[in-house]
Amino acid sequence: AQSVTQLGSHVSVSEGALVLLRCNYSSSVPPYLFWYVQYPNQGLQLLLKYTSAATLVKGINGFEAEFKKSETSFHLTKPSAHMSDAAEYFCAVSPSWGAGSYQLTFGKGTKLSVIP
Amino acid sequence: ETGVTQTPRHLVMGMTNKKSLKCEQHLGHNAMYWYKQSAKKPLELMFVYSLEERVENNSVPSRFSPECPNSSHLFLHLHTLQPEDSALYLCASSQDPGQSAEAFFGQGTRLTVV
Repeated sequence: AQSVTQLGSHVSVSEGALVLLRCNYSSSVPPYLFWYVQYPNQGLQLLLKYTSAATLVKGINGFEAEFKKSETSFHLTKPSAHMSDAAEYFCAVSPSWGAGSYQLTFGKGTKLSVIP
Repeated sequence: ETGVTQTPRHLVMGMTNKKSLKCEQHLGHNAMYWYKQSAKKPLELMFVYSLEERVENNSVPSRFSPECPNSSHLFLHLHTLQPEDSALYLCASSQDPGQSAEAFFGQGTRLTVV
């Protein structure tokens, strides 16, 4: 069984400030972890993914995330927010092996607002 | 353009209507998915197809009926829906239904049941 908890359904940051979106997971087997972004009226786009290689993962648009097994976390960060980062962000987990390994389980999402 | 195209983008239907959602992927992928996105709820996986065979049906009511005639096309046939079925329905595809395969999503169909 697996689940994802995203802390904060809505986060506001000033332009140029640090972005931190929190994600905690639970999984009965070693997980693969993903962050997706959804812009208004769009589908989801993969930002980055962790697949058991480096624990610090760099993605598109300057985002990165760090897998911390001891904290069961996979928080998303960006050093300096841009207006174009305003969107909804989804953390997702899937088992790295076994039945249902294609099953992506998503969090409820965090809507990021960027204030000029 | 993500390579996954969904039509229509918006659909309003009555509870006694029958309609179909269409998804087409131009990426040469072998796996296709239907997800439901409701307000304030996580995305819910509905169906998974691998090489045109259904490999997952996540306890979805029979009023939703998927069809995958070939690896590039996926349909979701709808009949006698309920107002609570109003949601954004997202189609996705991936190279295979295996681990860590990146899923590419379409823009979704916004469905309203009246």
